Amino acid sequence: GAGVSQSPSNKVTEKGKDVELRCDPISGHTALYWYRQSLGQGLEFLIYFQGNSAPDKSGLPSDRFSAERTGGSVSTLTIQRTQQEDSAVYLCASSLAASGGGETQYFGPGTRLLVL
Amino acid sequence: EDQVTQSPEALRLQEGESSSLNCSYTVSGLRGLFWYRQDPGKGPEFLFTLYSAGEEKEKERLKATLTKKESFLHITAPKPEDSATYLCAVQASGDKIIFGKGTRLHILP
Repeated sequence: GAGVSQSPSNKVTEKGKDVELRCDPISGHTALYWYRQSLGQGLEFLIYFQGNSAPDKSGLPSDRFSAERTGGSVSTLTIQRTQQEDSAVYLCASSLAASGGGETQYFGPGTRLLVL
Repeated sequence: EDQVTQSPEALRLQEGESSSLNCSYTVSGLRGLFWYRQDPGKGPEFLFTLYSAGEEKEKERLKATLTKKESFLHITAPKPEDSATYLCAVQASGDKIIFGKGTRLHILP
């Protein structure tokens, strides 16, 4: 496809369960970003990848959150032992490169996570 | 600390009533300022990137401008389909991008 895709589009889970969110970036984009958007809040940076490595993990809210990227393409964000405060929209974005300054990020439609 | 503040939080306009949205920023070493539009239930859609003070960009009824401290998104003669949340983001030194909380724009027919 031409754009960033994310799956699932919606996820309802029970507190304490693990969830995996997937992001397929635009083909050829080397940089990939994960954000969290809570109701009425701005986008909260979580982590970004340059290729398969993650130079900046500073936004991950706790050690229950982890992310990986394989083959310079697909990325998964895993939340272990989910809590109700993890409920949010998780957005993925990709860009041609992270360094060099001002590369435009293109966003996917997001995964809406609800933890009961 | 790098910071992005958008104002107003919400804005209601009559169709055809022009106005401006503000994005104030304090960052060390601006590398780019971005404007996005976000419709309910969707991811942000890219509008503009500005790189240096004095730069301006236009697209249909929207024009974005940049100074050393703030950016404005001017909307001229808006239509109801321009209703959305408009997000501003900045990229400072490093690769992290910081987003403001957005301005919810509602255009009344």
